Amino acid sequence: EADIYQTPRYLVIGTGKKITLECSQTMGHDKMYWYQQDPGMELHLIHYSYGVNSTEKGDLSSESTVSRIRTEHFPLTLESARPSHTSQYLCASSPAGQNGYTFGSGTRLTVV
Amino acid sequence: GENVEQHPSTLSVQEGDSAVIKCTYSDSASNYFPWYKQELGKRPQLIIDIRSNVGEKKDQRIAVTLNKTAKHFSLHITETQPEDSAVYFCAASPPQAGTALIFGKGTTLSVSS
Repeated sequence: EADIYQTPRYLVIGTGKKITLECSQTMGHDKMYWYQQDPGMELHLIHYSYGVNSTEKGDLSSESTVSRIRTEHFPLTLESARPSHTSQYLCASSPAGQNGYTFGSGTRLTVV
Repeated sequence: GENVEQHPSTLSVQEGDSAVIKCTYSDSASNYFPWYKQELGKRPQLIIDIRSNVGEKKDQRIAVTLNKTAKHFSLHITETQPEDSAVYFCAASPPQAGTALIFGKGTTLSVSS
């Protein structure tokens, strides 16, 4: 089924660890996005991409990196996890042009 | 850049009543306005959207209106049901090619039976 998939669904890691959150979509969408959702549910844009080898920074990008080597894959890496990174991370994708997003089910990250 | 304000932050209604959520945007060039519903523990899902060349759009019990002059758009839910309880997000899309959706902070709607 065409959809967007995030793994892992839940993750608990120690401070200072490097982690990569995976996101893949099978809809052939050109655009992909990473959002952090805080406990108050507000969505904060971390990174986005408009196609292979293109990435842009959002408001919360300073402590993470992304890559877009394949159309379907858009992983997010935290180089050194901190307790302040504890949050839900949502990946989304959309086709070219101005269209709504399809969100993944999210990764709930806890840094201890 | 674009800024989206959403009100109210929480809304409680009785089953069968109507609910209205309002958003204002700052960039008059924005031309696409989607609404998302996020149920507890689930992903946000697109429920309706409107483009700037249209003033109103309806889909069963849900409607969205757009006032470009005033730069605001609203979500209207009629005959609310308990399953409408969720967090609702509005968003605006600037027309520039290199931009992403700008989301409002969300409205928590509670429908009591």
